[in-house]
Amino acid sequence: GQQVMQIPQYQHVQEGEDFTTYCNSSTTLSNIQWYKQRPGGHPVFLIQLVKSGEVKKQKRLTFQFGEAKKNSSLHITATQTTDVGTYFCAGQNTGNQFYFGTGTSLTVIP
Amino acid sequence: DVKVTQSSRYLVKRTGEKVFLECVQDMDHENMFWYRQDPGLGLRLIYFSYDVKMKEKGDIPEGYSVSREKKERFSLILESASTNQTSMYLCASSPRLAGGFNEQFFGPGTRLTVL
Repeated sequence: GQQVMQIPQYQHVQEGEDFTTYCNSSTTLSNIQWYKQRPGGHPVFLIQLVKSGEVKKQKRLTFQFGEAKKNSSLHITATQTTDVGTYFCAGQNTGNQFYFGTGTSLTVIP
Repeated sequence: DVKVTQSSRYLVKRTGEKVFLECVQDMDHENMFWYRQDPGLGLRLIYFSYDVKMKEKGDIPEGYSVSREKKERFSLILESASTNQTSMYLCASSPRLAGGFNEQFFGPGTRLTVL
């Protein structure tokens, strides 16, 4: 079964609003990665988090890794139309297995 | 820039046909992956390979096999295509660095339709 769950599946926001997607694992993760897939495109790596409680920022994007290393989030501040796409988390568990989340599709309404 | 190429963007096959999907990467990466992507299910790992002639089953290997005879090339084989294998197939590669799986570089994908 799916090892990494992601919510919400879809999110529509007005341009300028914030957006958050959450990723939850049933097992402890060694690391977690985030990818963005534009419509019609392929996934592109955004970032990797390794440490418990880690927080990393890329401009308007903030990535967090939970203290227990079982969950993660991606927050976008003041969305723009260029943020449109599907955001995937991908986690590696301690058994050296790797799973992508189900993805969150973001629509930004101008 | 890392480049991962896939042999076809679109492919239409008939039920029962043998199908080959080819993937080539030009960055000397040790790890290569095959995923299928379906709406609402995200990316599901079919097989991966961490070295030439080495392969590991992923989450959904049934109905698929793979071949890695050269480091740069990873092939996905559908021995007898079925309609439930209609999907987008994505190949990826990544370097083998300390700490397990690292940033993956994806190809453009092959949209396979099985009639």
